[in-house]
Amino acid sequence: ILNVEQSPQSLHVQEGDSTNFTCSFPSSNFYALHWYRWETAKSPEALFVMTLNGDEKKKGRISATLNTKEGYSYLYIKGSQPEDSATYLCARRGFQKLVFGTGTRLLVSP
Amino acid sequence: DTAVSQTPKYLVTQMGNDKSIKCEQNLGHDTMYWYKQDSKKFLKIMFSYNNKELIINETVPNRFSPKSPDKAHLNLHINSLELGDSAVYFCASSQDPRLLSSGNTIYFGEGSWLTVV
Repeated sequence: ILNVEQSPQSLHVQEGDSTNFTCSFPSSNFYALHWYRWETAKSPEALFVMTLNGDEKKKGRISATLNTKEGYSYLYIKGSQPEDSATYLCARRGFQKLVFGTGTRLLVSP
Repeated sequence: DTAVSQTPKYLVTQMGNDKSIKCEQNLGHDTMYWYKQDSKKFLKIMFSYNNKELIINETVPNRFSPKSPDKAHLNLHINSLELGDSAVYFCASSQDPRLLSSGNTIYFGEGSWLTVV
């Protein structure tokens, strides 16, 4: 069973705040971790695919790190903006599929 | 152009009815999926097809039947709808799913909101 857990469940920050959330997963037989950004009524959008322990990826103000030995990944958003409001999903690669966490819902107030 | 498109986006129907959700991808991918967002907000896989062949069939009631007429289409047919089938259903596609570790990812449609009344 590839239980993927994310915390916190939701987060409310002010514009300009930096924030981070956590994705935890079983560390055995690890292949890859995917991060998605999902706005309601739109397609979940792929942010990062991470495969190696110690990986760090960046896309604009959003970055992610990966620790496969202890089974966690962090997603960071620097200087949050209202348009960053979305649900952030992580998913671990299972057998020919992705297994998702429940997501962290981020709300950024102006 | 929408890469993965599914229709309808919203569907309200009565218990006992049979309904279909259609999905098409124009990315040239070999693999297509159906995911369901359950009541706890998990995105859970239901089915996947690779080159029109079923490769994943999770524990899903047999009232749910996927049909893949070609590798660009994967439709979901649901018989005898029940209240508990109300959910958001997502279609998705990818290259060979064994490549999901090599930087390739899954591309999703916008979801189909099914409400059974």
